[in-house]
Amino acid sequence: EAQVTQNPRYLITVTGKKLTVTCSQNMNHEYMSWYRQDPGLGLRQIYYSMNVEVTDKGDVPEGYKVSRKEKRNFPLILESPSPNQTSLYFCASSRTGEGFNEQFFGPGTRLTVL
Amino acid sequence: GQNIDQPTEMTATEGAIVQINCTYQTSGFNGLFWYQQHAGEAPTFLSYNVLDGLEEKGRFSSFLSRSKGYSYLLLKELQMKDSASYLCAVVDSNYQLIWGAGTKLIIKP
Repeated sequence: EAQVTQNPRYLITVTGKKLTVTCSQNMNHEYMSWYRQDPGLGLRQIYYSMNVEVTDKGDVPEGYKVSRKEKRNFPLILESPSPNQTSLYFCASSRTGEGFNEQFFGPGTRLTVL
Repeated sequence: GQNIDQPTEMTATEGAIVQINCTYQTSGFNGLFWYQQHAGEAPTFLSYNVLDGLEEKGRFSSFLSRSKGYSYLLLKELQMKDSASYLCAVVDSNYQLIWGAGTKLIIKP
């Protein structure tokens, strides 16, 4: 089944404790992206990757890191999480980086930073 | 700046028709998406319009007017399962997606 998977689905952590949210897609998509979603603000892009070893900042990259060493995986790293990073996070992928391609979203990771 | 406007919330009755509007001001235009998102779940693709006019897909239709910077999503024969948020997103001149904040649709029996 073609899908985007994320882990963990739910995470409660404390300020400053490094964490990684994994994302994997099995559709051989070139483009992958991370979003955060907060009430009233819609989806905001954190980082995106046009292909392996190519990553770029989105609209709200501060406090986050990513890597794209393999085509299928695009982990999101929070080196020192803070309470303002409490949010619902989505990973997405599409065939290529041109925006007119449909994006496929993972199930989401709900992160709480205390 | 780039801007997409949608109503924050709408209420409709089961079996009725509802129209969700989206207006946009972006640097260039290369298409407009509608996604559906149930509470706490991932957005899922509904439609993509790049040319003017109405595209129908079952109970859902999407309309685009590029000259007016306007689109709408039309939902017919509303069902309770249509209660969700509907996200409008525009592809700009750099082929980047610009997302609206979404419209929460509440369906009442």
